[in-house]
Amino acid sequence: DSGVTQTPKHLITATGQRVTLRCSPRSGDLSVYWYQQSLDQGLQFLIQYYNGEERAKGNILERFSAQQFPDLHSELNLSSLELGDSALYFCASSVDIDPGLDEQFFGPGTRLTVL
Amino acid sequence: AQTVTQSQPEMSVQEAETVTLSCTYDTSESDYYLFWYKQPPSRQMILVIRQEAYKQQNATENRFSVNFQKAAKSFSLKISDSQLGDAAMYFCAYISGTASKLTFGTGTRLQVTL
Repeated sequence: DSGVTQTPKHLITATGQRVTLRCSPRSGDLSVYWYQQSLDQGLQFLIQYYNGEERAKGNILERFSAQQFPDLHSELNLSSLELGDSALYFCASSVDIDPGLDEQFFGPGTRLTVL
Repeated sequence: AQTVTQSQPEMSVQEAETVTLSCTYDTSESDYYLFWYKQPPSRQMILVIRQEAYKQQNATENRFSVNFQKAAKSFSLKISDSQLGDAAMYFCAYISGTASKLTFGTGTRLQVTL
């Protein structure tokens, strides 16, 4: 158990819908990262938040957005869903004082299936 | 942009034997870190080993060790005395010393046979 929690574990929805994925970081971690793992794109970084502020952006679609709340939990919002958005979405957290030395701890992921 | 390449989609090793997984990367930065992550069937991402680019000594964690060749931009993982529990997807990953995003390779599926 990494200490990072993600809900829900599984999500099945239809094209065109909107979903929200939730992540609670490890106690004391200020940074939250979102990654997408799909068959087409592999594992790719989407976005990072640090203490409520967006810090880095990766290959995140405009239909996707994220935020980090004052209690440091984060939500990833996916809208106008397409079949290709079906993937495993990971949240990770770290203290992010030294990017390379501070381990990113991964949550168990949310499996999104778009039908 | 940094890229990470794993050219072996699948590997197989017999229990108690040694296997080496390959990884190459491309970067123009001098400050970076390299990682091997394990993803078992449970899908949990687990850090196996980390290498700081500024360190010449290869990292070792119990049965896991790396061969870091900085000039060749090569970073291979050696698993000694393979166990059934080592069966998983293994991802090579890169992170810059100044940015926090991990860049992953495409993964190598390791099968461990009796």
